[in-house]
Amino acid sequence: EIVLTQSPGTLSLSPGERATLSCRASQSVSSNYLAWYQQKPGQAPRLLIYGASSRATGIPGRFSGSGSVTDFTLTISRLEPEDFAVYYCQQFDSFRVTFGQGTKLEIK
Amino acid sequence: EVQLLESGGGLVQPGGSLRLSCAASGLTFSNYGMNWIRQAPGKGLEWISIISGSGGATFYADSVKGRFTISRDNSKDTLYLQMNSLRVEDTAVYYCAKQIVGPGWNFDYWGQGTLVTVSS
Repeated sequence: EIVLTQSPGTLSLSPGERATLSCRASQSVSSNYLAWYQQKPGQAPRLLIYGASSRATGIPGRFSGSGSVTDFTLTISRLEPEDFAVYYCQQFDSFRVTFGQGTKLEIK
Repeated sequence: EVQLLESGGGLVQPGGSLRLSCAASGLTFSNYGMNWIRQAPGKGLEWISIISGSGGATFYADSVKGRFTISRDNSKDTLYLQMNSLRVEDTAVYYCAKQIVGPGWNFDYWGQGTLVTVSS
């Protein structure tokens, strides 16, 4: 099973700043199968990025994904107040799905 | 607009059973793989199971294999999860989620979740 490790566990930033979230895989992951989700308290997760770098429908352009093989990054170019949430990466391999443990993005 | 609405959660004793439902609308239900994903209180996301659009293929996480069964009724646009031999560690919010179009098992629409509590 591929393990996804996200860092940092918590990221404290101010609105307007740039956020860089990391997702590292224990084995090579196909870029086609790497996704990022945002989850706010009491809400279901929302798909942000799929295929490592494709924005899902309705996702603002300030969200971007990059990376390949074992290292993937979610970047939020300029943080808006509504972006403070928990972010998860997710992959699919050998008919199994795994999520990272999450990065909490909090207001500094 | 795609909508997914879970129901069937509640309190159950260890060893008991529960069946969750997920009613879908706003999409051609039979065209999409559907999933169950859970989240224990204060914890991260755990994928549980997937079923193909036709219902002919199913896959499970090791943690629930042999205890949980995913199924669907495309005539009713509804997804199910039959949960047997429930354990305390199965306590979680259970989400149904639609698979995106494409090769990856990623999830573009989620329900609001239903809480399952396993406790004596």
